[in-house]
Amino acid sequence: DVKVTQSSRYLVKRTGEKVFLECVQDMDHENMFWYRQDPGLGLRLIYFSYDVKMKEKGDIPEGYSVSREKKERFSLILESASTNQTSMYLCASSASGTGSYEQYFGPGTRLTVT
Amino acid sequence: AQSVTQLGSHVSVSEGALVLLRCNYSSSVPPYLFWYVQYPNQGLQLLLKYTTGATLVKGINGFEAEFKKSETSFHLTKPSAHMSDAAEYFCAVSVDTGNQFYFGTGTSLTVIP
Repeated sequence: DVKVTQSSRYLVKRTGEKVFLECVQDMDHENMFWYRQDPGLGLRLIYFSYDVKMKEKGDIPEGYSVSREKKERFSLILESASTNQTSMYLCASSASGTGSYEQYFGPGTRLTVT
Repeated sequence: AQSVTQLGSHVSVSEGALVLLRCNYSSSVPPYLFWYVQYPNQGLQLLLKYTTGATLVKGINGFEAEFKKSETSFHLTKPSAHMSDAAEYFCAVSVDTGNQFYFGTGTSLTVIP
């Protein structure tokens, strides 16, 4: 079974803090993704990576950065957390190639910024 | 550019009734289409996908979807709803130029006993 794990299920941080969200996959997938999920807006892509040390901006990268030093691990960084970054964050991974490969999702991290 | 529209953010059905969740897509190239389900406080789980070949696709938990190119639709159906089907459902599209997905805004399914 493919497994995508995220470091925390629930996280509470204060405004201005630096926040790290970690994601690890065990299927040797090339592609990894970070989304945020908000009611009525669905999933919005923040960043994705198709190889180690490679990253591409998604639709809403502002206020976020990412790091991929190892193939299995993809980190999302909030440099200075703000209340409008309170959300559910989902990590996903997929094999590379055509777009027919499904994405596998982690359980999500519900982040609250106060 | 690719996009997905899910008609109806909330759908309620009685237990045992037909489930129909609508998804229309916009794509400049032949798409790959997916339905995912999300149970409360969990990640997304793949229900089914269309890549090529047969346009009627069967998935897990008795769900199926039909790709209709002329209507640019990929509606999800299940003949008889079960209480355990209550969840959020997302339709997604990707194309052959990579693995980026475009998700709809989701449909919350309520099953009434």
